[in-house]
Amino acid sequence: DAGVTQSPTHLIKTRGQHVTLRCSPISGHKSVSWYQQVLGQGPQFIFQYYEKEERGRGNFPDRFSARQFPNYSSELNVNALLLGDSALYLCASSLGLAGVYEQYFGPGTRLTVT
Amino acid sequence: AQSVTQPDIHITVSEGASLELRCNYSYGATPYLFWYVQSPGQGLQLLLKYFSGDTLVQGIKGFEAEFKRSQSSFNLRKPSVHWSDAAEYFCAVGQFSGGGADGLTFGKGTHLIIQP
Repeated sequence: DAGVTQSPTHLIKTRGQHVTLRCSPISGHKSVSWYQQVLGQGPQFIFQYYEKEERGRGNFPDRFSARQFPNYSSELNVNALLLGDSALYLCASSLGLAGVYEQYFGPGTRLTVT
Repeated sequence: AQSVTQPDIHITVSEGASLELRCNYSYGATPYLFWYVQSPGQGLQLLLKYFSGDTLVQGIKGFEAEFKRSQSSFNLRKPSVHWSDAAEYFCAVGQFSGGGADGLTFGKGTHLIIQP
């Protein structure tokens, strides 16, 4: 079975631009969560979507948004990019709500903002 | 708010020696606890989890962890490490509030170095 897939693998953007990151969960998983991992730190929770509804939000500005599609895939959007947004963005899927059900992580998208 | 502390940023262990990575959490109710491993350039792989029941949890790759409520700890152990265990290890705590979920709160990680 395919694991969690993310695209693109790497991305370079300029300050002020917009970026869209994509995630496909494991088949049958209805929850997708997004995390930001800055170099040398643990992942930080951004969003969780379950059955296409937002079910959790971390301490991130409104420049960050996400959505989940009917096939349970998800997009993370970041507007007005800042240098500090440079990080590895991880997507994780689970059968049910994260925090209770174990999450399976994708390989991540490495975003560099210049 | 929940939090996770991994007091050791780096740990160096000789191949074949035993390993213990420390994790302390702060959470009001019974926590859901996880250990993940991340190899360079890779995503996170779940090693083991604790939800309830037996406080000694067995995981993959020969790892185990013990939940100690009195010490708010969930330390990861392995009796004999292999060079392939060199990686970054993250402890995480999850919560479920009934009305929603806030994902996992991760510690800052412990970088494990294996000496030949």
